[in-house]
Amino acid sequence: NAGVTQTPKFQVLKTGQSMTLQCAQDMNHEYMSWYRQDPGMGLRLIHYSVGAGITDQGEVPNGYNVSRSTTEDFPLRLLSAAPSQTSVYFCASSLRRGWETEAFFGQGTRLTVV
Amino acid sequence: AQKITQTQPGMFVQEKEAVTLDCTYDTSDPSYGLFWYKQPSSGEMIFLIYQGSYDQQNATEGRYSLNFQKARKSANLVISASQLGDSAMYFCAMREFHTGNQFYFGTGTSLTVIP
Repeated sequence: NAGVTQTPKFQVLKTGQSMTLQCAQDMNHEYMSWYRQDPGMGLRLIHYSVGAGITDQGEVPNGYNVSRSTTEDFPLRLLSAAPSQTSVYFCASSLRRGWETEAFFGQGTRLTVV
Repeated sequence: AQKITQTQPGMFVQEKEAVTLDCTYDTSDPSYGLFWYKQPSSGEMIFLIYQGSYDQQNATEGRYSLNFQKARKSANLVISASQLGDSAMYFCAMREFHTGNQFYFGTGTSLTVIP
């Protein structure tokens, strides 16, 4: 019962480098999302998806790209890393229906951009 | 306007005492859910408790209960008989039926349990 698997756990990037954070879930959840967590700011939504082939922007989408080719996978791409993207990133998934189901989270990725 | 407001950045509680973590929310959707998550120092997000907008009774899960006051738009988490392992960050979140299934999170409350 893997749930939501997020890799890597830690990453250091140089300014301008690109990378992809991987997220996979095995619960057949339609809804997947990416958040960043910064001190004092809670979790802020970057991008989300309500199903394969459908993605939309959240509160802080600039500098990030996503795609959803399968139900299971929802990678987050940093196009050109900046120090402002130093953060802890969480992937989450849930059933799409209504308002009643909780989000399941990955273990998080601590990203440092130098 | 903030969808979820947590006004207590940090809280302290004596071991074995009860503590209330505050959460207020803002929505005009009649159908919504309220969630509490715990984030220990190890970093993972752990789901604790859920309350639906149509639920007549306050939700309870073991030592956790949710004090749901719909008219006041508050959904406070009550932890009874605090334990050292309850020291963590706690996040309140909301999901509305009509806004694309997004979760809205508060800024969190850091709880420290004192032995």
